[in-house]
Amino acid sequence: GQNIDQPTEMTATEGAIVQINCTYQTSGFNGLFWYQQHAGEAPTFLSYNVLDGLEEKGRFSSFLSRSKGYSYLLLKELQMKDSASYLCAVKYGSSNTGKLIFGQGTTLQVKP
Amino acid sequence: DVKVTQSSRYLVKRTGEKVFLECVQDMDHENMFWYRQDPGLGLRLIYFSYDVKMKEKGDIPEGYSVSREKKERFSLILESASTNQTSMYLCASTLGTSGHNEQFFGPGTRLTVL
Repeated sequence: GQNIDQPTEMTATEGAIVQINCTYQTSGFNGLFWYQQHAGEAPTFLSYNVLDGLEEKGRFSSFLSRSKGYSYLLLKELQMKDSASYLCAVKYGSSNTGKLIFGQGTTLQVKP
Repeated sequence: DVKVTQSSRYLVKRTGEKVFLECVQDMDHENMFWYRQDPGLGLRLIYFSYDVKMKEKGDIPEGYSVSREKKERFSLILESASTNQTSMYLCASTLGTSGHNEQFFGPGTRLTVL
C-alpha cells in the first residue's frame, strides 16, 4: 500500500530551527514535494527533491534519502509567519501525470 | 502570475442536491486534479484528468464524477450530495511533463451539506 507519515503537530520558538520529518512507503517514486499551507488557504510549493541529498532555498532546506524512504524539511530562523501546516507529498505512477500522495500534514506553531 | 480559480469559496447545499464545483486554470496545464481535505486525513485525490475528455479515478471517487470539456476547465460533480461530503475541496493543475512540475492549487471551496 501507499503510506506517508509525518508528525501531527510541532511547536517551536521564534528564531529557532525546526525539523519536520516525513517517511514514506509508496509504489513508485518520482520525487518528493513539500508544501506550506496557512489556515484557510491553498497549499503553496516549498521544495522538491528527486535525488538524495539536501536542497537549500533561503531559510528552508529539504533532505531526501530514497533508500530509507525518508525526508525532512528544515526551517531556520523561525518567524511567526511560519506558523502553518507543512505537507509532505510523493509523486508516484507515471511521471507525466504528476500524481501525488500526501501525508496528513504537520501543523507547526511558532511561539514568541 | 499563474492562477487556478474555483467558482465558490463557500457553498451550502442540502442533502440530495446535485452540486457543481468549477475549476479554471490559465497556465495551459495538461493535468488537473480534484482533492478533498479533511482534518487528520490530509489531501485525498478524488479524480484527475490528464487531457481533455480524459479522466481517471483517484483514491476516493465514490459519489463524485468529473467533466473536462476544455483544457482549462475541470468540473467536479456531486450527483446527490450527502452530509459526509461536507469538506474542503481543492483543485490543482500541473504540466504534463516529467520532472519538477509542482501542482498549483486553487483557493478551495468549503462545502457544507445539510
